Amino acid sequence: EDQVTQSPEALRLQEGESSSLNCSYTVSGLRGLFWYRQDPGKGPEFLFTLYSAGEEKEKERLKATLTKKESFLHITAPKPEDSATYLCAVQLNTGNQFYFGTGTSLTVIP
Amino acid sequence: DAGVTQSPTHLIKTRGQQVTLRCSPKSGHDTVSWYQQALGQGPQFIFQYYEEEERQRGNFPDRFSGHQFPNYSSELNVNALLLGDSALYLCASTHWAKNIQYFGAGTRLSVL
Repeated sequence: EDQVTQSPEALRLQEGESSSLNCSYTVSGLRGLFWYRQDPGKGPEFLFTLYSAGEEKEKERLKATLTKKESFLHITAPKPEDSATYLCAVQLNTGNQFYFGTGTSLTVIP
Repeated sequence: DAGVTQSPTHLIKTRGQQVTLRCSPKSGHDTVSWYQQALGQGPQFIFQYYEEEERQRGNFPDRFSGHQFPNYSSELNVNALLLGDSALYLCASTHWAKNIQYFGAGTRLSVL
């Protein structure tokens, strides 16, 4: 069965304290892996898409990496405005739907 | 450039009623997907519309139905509402030839 698991469920960081969020997946055939940010009461906001193992994407304090079994979202020197829920989704090569994990709720304390 | 827009933003219904949610895709997009997001969970795929036809469907009962119009906008209909249908309903749009989905802000449905 296709499955996406994110860890940890929640993470509290001091401002400037770098860390990583994990997304592990077990799928029959990966077309792409996507990272989204979701603020409370809002829709997910697209961050990155990764297609093959070894690929990396970077945007400001965020860097996403992909292996054959998992993806990491690295957050360097986070700021309070980085507080949000980060969602990972996979798209299979058999269709267009996304399978989402349950997300990691990140809180950055000033 | 307007992004994905959804209406209404909030809705309160009672059990057994029917509801219609609406979505206008981002300019240039022709494909619309609907997701249900329960509190504290990730979005779950309901179905996807392209060329006015349902192309793919997730594990949701027939009470959930949809429609896509010639201008690519879409509706999600839910019949015989249950308490468990209370959730944030998200619409996402993309171009059929591409695979990045852009989400609207959602409709918060409460079933009492």
